Amino acid sequence: ETGVTQTPRHLVMGMTNKKSLKCEQHLGHNAMYWYKQSAKKPLELMFVYSLEERVENNSVPSRFSPECPNSSHLFLHLHTLQPEDSALYLCASSQRLAGSDTQYFGPGTRLTVL
Amino acid sequence: AQSVSQHNHHVILSEAASLELGCNYSYGGTVNLFWYVQYPGQHLQLLLKYFSGDPLVKGIKGFEAEFIKSKFSFNLRKPSVQWSDTAEYFCAVMARGDKFYFGSGTKLNVKP
Repeated sequence: ETGVTQTPRHLVMGMTNKKSLKCEQHLGHNAMYWYKQSAKKPLELMFVYSLEERVENNSVPSRFSPECPNSSHLFLHLHTLQPEDSALYLCASSQRLAGSDTQYFGPGTRLTVL
Repeated sequence: AQSVSQHNHHVILSEAASLELGCNYSYGGTVNLFWYVQYPGQHLQLLLKYFSGDPLVKGIKGFEAEFIKSKFSFNLRKPSVQWSDTAEYFCAVMARGDKFYFGSGTKLNVKP
């Protein structure tokens, strides 16, 4: 399954570093999402982009900054993160239709903040 | 606030045993319901989904789920599990406004 790809797959960074996560979808979808998956917690929706415009930001700290330059690409820029930000970051895409919306997920980036 | 509850965090079964994983949600309006599976080392994959129509939904690999509106439930079932079903299972609900809510997941361990 290569519909949604994410790079890098693993990332270790210090609290003062700046890094970016990349997501690319090859499904022709018009919406993309960032989720955070921490152990023993529900997936947390971070950002939603629909038709390249941010439509939802679930009170995510400003040290996470999304960018969606076109409908196929989504970035998550990271700076001055905290150790508690260590988690699996998942990207998903969907074709947003009224009343029916299935999300397809990428493999995730395993982030460790030292 | 909307929520999705998966009461079983960890389930251990022997092969050929029957499986039922519970999922309850809190939202009074129209919902779309999903079960996703994450096999070890792999990404989340859609197992099955319910949008409308027959409340008994059949998915891949012999899984099915039943939407019971009066109980706000969407339990996942499989009559006979296999070792290859070892994975983590997530229930998800899409409510009005296309907001997605996930449960915390249930880890299924099937012993050969």
